[in-house]
Amino acid sequence: GAGVSQSPRYKVTKRGQDVTLRCDPISSHATLYWYQQALGQGPEFLTYFNYEAQPDKSGLPSDRFSAERPEGSISTLTIQRTEQRDSAMYRCASSLEGWNEQFFGPGTRLTVL
Amino acid sequence: AQSVTQLDSHVSVSEGTPVLLRCNYSSSYSPSLFWYVQHPNKGLQLLLKYTSAATLVKGINGFEAEFKKSETSFHLTKPSAHMSDAAEYFCVVSDTSGTYKYIFGTGTRLKVLA
Repeated sequence: GAGVSQSPRYKVTKRGQDVTLRCDPISSHATLYWYQQALGQGPEFLTYFNYEAQPDKSGLPSDRFSAERPEGSISTLTIQRTEQRDSAMYRCASSLEGWNEQFFGPGTRLTVL
Repeated sequence: AQSVTQLDSHVSVSEGTPVLLRCNYSSSYSPSLFWYVQHPNKGLQLLLKYTSAATLVKGINGFEAEFKKSETSFHLTKPSAHMSDAAEYFCVVSDTSGTYKYIFGTGTRLKVLA
């Protein structure tokens, strides 16, 4: 596609519910990153994929967070049993290869009540 | 490990005056450094990047940054601020350990006064 897209743009959920966020990267891009941006902070790395492989998930805050990219294109980030501290902007980025410039999507703003 | 420190959380300038946003980095290797801008309710937009070519890097919208290895700095400047420059600016270093993940500073909010 023309750019990185994310859906939904906004998500409000109640504590304890599961949520799934979607990222659609630029079509030729092999590498996909997820970042979490708390209010007033810079984005922080969560995990990344090279095609469908997930070499590093060291940034995932807990085992409630998981991500997948089964066919090496679209990726989802799932948060189970959401907590209020999960409220943040979740940003996805893709790059042609890991060492290339990353292009960011518009983000999904998650609010957990 | 790589890191970046943005020295000012808020900067206010008058329209038409110079802008200086300061960033210091820490990296064991020759770093790749970036400046991104985030306008309210918008995504992150790349302003410029340094990848070991020229130390003075020119970006979009009249911004530029100078890589100074001796000072481990990568400050962002613009000769004349415009109202539309009001936004949050992030200094970023790319991790060189293999993931190439971005490590962001905490951001500098630029306010432009009429």
